[in-house]
Amino acid sequence: QSALTQPASVSGSPGQSITISCTGTSSDVGSYNLVSWYQQHPGKAPKLMIYEVSKRPSGVSNRFSGSKSGNTASLTISGLQAEDEADYYCCSYAGSRYVFGTGTKVTVL
Amino acid sequence: QVTLRESGPALVKPTQTLTLTCTFSGFSLSTSGMCVSWIRQPPGKALEWLALIDWDDDKYYSTSLKTRLTISKDTSKNQVVLTMTNMDPVDTATYYCARTRYCDWVDYWGQGTLVTVSS
Repeated sequence: QSALTQPASVSGSPGQSITISCTGTSSDVGSYNLVSWYQQHPGKAPKLMIYEVSKRPSGVSNRFSGSKSGNTASLTISGLQAEDEADYYCCSYAGSRYVFGTGTKVTVL
Repeated sequence: QVTLRESGPALVKPTQTLTLTCTFSGFSLSTSGMCVSWIRQPPGKALEWLALIDWDDDKYYSTSLKTRLTISKDTSKNQVVLTMTNMDPVDTATYYCARTRYCDWVDYWGQGTLVTVSS
């Protein structure tokens, strides 16, 4: 059971757009439209940002969007803001189990 | 308002069994589509999914840890219990319980409880 692969870090200037990738296999990301994304600030519990690949929960900014192609899911943050600086994790259903990504630290320059 | 709270020992010795309790409110685990997961995070490391129990009492476990984990629920008390046997220092982590909608995505998290494994 391997973790989904994410870049360790992604950075951008305020106002820019950044994309975080989440690469799995045909047994998880590639087989199910059940990818979710979580934002975690230091010392805090994670927060749901995207579910079912591209759906946004109520209250989450529309600057956050999700997509998937093959075995790779992506989270895009547009109009980057200082408050977006955090760790981000993807998660995928993998057939009777779930697997998280390795995590990506987003830095706002 | 949905809330979840983890409780259990902050310190356990190697080889001991860890028992964590998740007490929740604002939803019922007997409602179709409701599930509760346990997820952990070692200090400075990534999240790791451990186990899930659904409204129908179906249980799912991490492949790598399933021999050590047991998840159960007490619907009348609004509690979910996770036990992990044969604890090791590498199991030191913050343990979260979390409501998992339709067993697909986590929409509410507890605040987490740090468990340290040390002699």
